[in-house]
Order: sequence, then C-alpha cells, then structure tokens
Amino acid sequence: QSALTQPASVSGTPGQSITISCTGTSGDVGTHKFVSWYQQYPGKAPKLMIYEDTKRPSGVSNRFSGSKSGNTASLTISGLQPEDEADYYCCSYTRSRNYVFGPGTKVTVL
Amino acid sequence: EVQLVESGGGLVKPGGSLRLSCASSGFTFSNAWMTWVRQAPGKGLEWVGLIKSKTDGGPTDYAAPVKGRFTISRDDSKNTLYLHMNSLKTEDTAVYYCATDFYGDYFDYWGQGTLVTVSS
Repeated sequence: QSALTQPASVSGTPGQSITISCTGTSGDVGTHKFVSWYQQYPGKAPKLMIYEDTKRPSGVSNRFSGSKSGNTASLTISGLQPEDEADYYCCSYTRSRNYVFGPGTKVTVL
Repeated sequence: EVQLVESGGGLVKPGGSLRLSCASSGFTFSNAWMTWVRQAPGKGLEWVGLIKSKTDGGPTDYAAPVKGRFTISRDDSKNTLYLHMNSLKTEDTAVYYCATDFYGDYFDYWGQGTLVTVSS
C-alpha cells in the first residue's frame, strides 16, 4: 500500500496540458529529499522523466515539467501527444531510509 | 552507453530461494549506488532495497516486506549486483528491475527486468 497518493487516471486531448499530482506527508515528499517521476509503457522498464523535483534528464522532452510545494509534487505534460499515453509514477525517499512510489497514474490521450 | 541486464528469474515454489543477477556496463559500477525495484503483475512499482558503494559504505536498506528474507550484495570485480531471495512467498511474484541509484535521490538507469514467479 503506497504512502503517496496519485490520481488513478488522467486524460486529455492532443495539444492539451495535464497535471498529475503526488501527495505525501512531511515524512517523505515534504522532506528536504527530492521527488522523481517515471514513465512506463506496458511491458517495458520505467524511464526517469523528472528528478530533484523539477529537473529533466537529457533527452526528455521539455513538454514534461515538475514542481513541488509542501507535501505535494506535480508532473505537468504540456502539448499532450499520443506517445505520452503511459503510466506515470512519482517516487520519494523517506525519513525511514526507504523509497516509496506512488500507485501510478494512467495517462490516456483521447 | 549504460546497460543493466538482469537474469536469474524463473518459477520457484513457496519457501524456496532464488538469486537474481544484474550485470552492468557503461559506467563505473564500483562507485554506483544500486537499487532493486519490483512490479507485481498488473500492479505498481515497489522499491525492494538499496546498496551503496563500498566507498560510501553504510547499511544496506530494505523495504519492510522483504527485510530479513532478501539480501542485496555486489561484486565490483564482476560489475554485478545480486538479489538473494529466501523464504519466497506467492506475493513476491513480480518482475524485478535493477537500477542505478543517484545517491539516494532517483533511479536514472534501469534494466529490462526479470520475472520471478512463486507458485506451487
């Protein structure tokens, strides 16, 4: 059972912007540690999309952006495209020296 | 190019043991922190455990569901990470991924995963 909360699904039409929230507690998301986001296609390994709350790895589209305020982190996908249809997971290190993942959000491009 | 290749998965009976391997290349393995993450069929990602580099030291950390049953080790001479799994339960059935762990912040490179099925 995840300690982080994400919406089960988010959908949008091509070109639209969508935002996925990731809500935790002062013991994880709200700590000084960072949140990261991962994209996963069915049957494939996860891929790092955002690290240290807001940073994008080399090669990740600038349509993906991250933010964090208090105990909630967010991933925004701007200019939604069909290839963005995937599952997205947030992840945070905790005060208990564990990592915790959110339950995942399925993004559907209508 | 960073490559992580897991192996060792398969079918095992409840109570049995299995050892997974993660062969790495394309980076200095001995300096890397490494993590195992698993994903049960149709479920989300679940962190399993973390091992730091020998230089950074410190204890190896484990998620509560596997603590005392799973052990993570590394052989820096072979650039290989291991996950030793004992007393396996049906709920351990999952695809197991190894990943590089950027000093406790995020997982930047992932392997393709290996499936472990625990069933009688």
